[in-house]
Amino acid sequence: QSALTQPASVSGSPGQSITISCTGTNSDVGVYHYVSWYQQHPGKAPKLMIYDVNKRPSGVSNRFSGSKSGNTASLTISGLQAEDEAKYYCSSFTTTSTWVFGGGTKVTVL
Amino acid sequence: QLQLQESGPGLVKPSETLSLSCTVSGVSISSTSYCWGWIRQPPGKGLEWIGNICFSRNTHYNPSLQSRLTISVDTSKNQFSLKLRSVTAADTAVFYCASRMEWLQYFDFWGQGTLVSVSS
Repeated sequence: QSALTQPASVSGSPGQSITISCTGTNSDVGVYHYVSWYQQHPGKAPKLMIYDVNKRPSGVSNRFSGSKSGNTASLTISGLQAEDEAKYYCSSFTTTSTWVFGGGTKVTVL
Repeated sequence: QLQLQESGPGLVKPSETLSLSCTVSGVSISSTSYCWGWIRQPPGKGLEWIGNICFSRNTHYNPSLQSRLTISVDTSKNQFSLKLRSVTAADTAVFYCASRMEWLQYFDFWGQGTLVSVSS
């Protein structure tokens, strides 16, 4: 199984919106509504931010939203804040009952 | 509140077996609702799913690791464990244990992670 494809880095100024893409195949992202997104600050464990493409766990800011079109899922962060600076990973369930992660995207708040 | 804590040696020699445990608190590991998994992250790199075990004892492993991997549950200790055989330096990583509800396809609780280095 190949990793999902994410851009290495995305940046934006405070208050702006940014979008991170996550491209898979028709064996994972394209076939299921089971894409999740995780935020990871340096030295910390990943934190679930979005699940099932576009659902937010309790306690996660509504500035985070997710979507999917075909084999590509996206995470949008609106009203960018300094605390959003972190690495973000997408993940998808696959047709072989396994999970695959993206390579991660570093978000920088300028 | 469910909590997970990894434990095990921080250093393993090449060709030996890497063994880690994850202690679960806040819920019985025998609960029919949960699956227990491992995810690793080599230094400076991305996340890699290792495998899961569910109450039903269904296990799913990363195909690239399957031949060297065993994930099991110890209900007496409320723990689950990972054994990875014949390790090399490429297996050096931070190992996270994580949980998900059996009918859901995302990991909502994670341990803090433990670094395991493979070196002679």
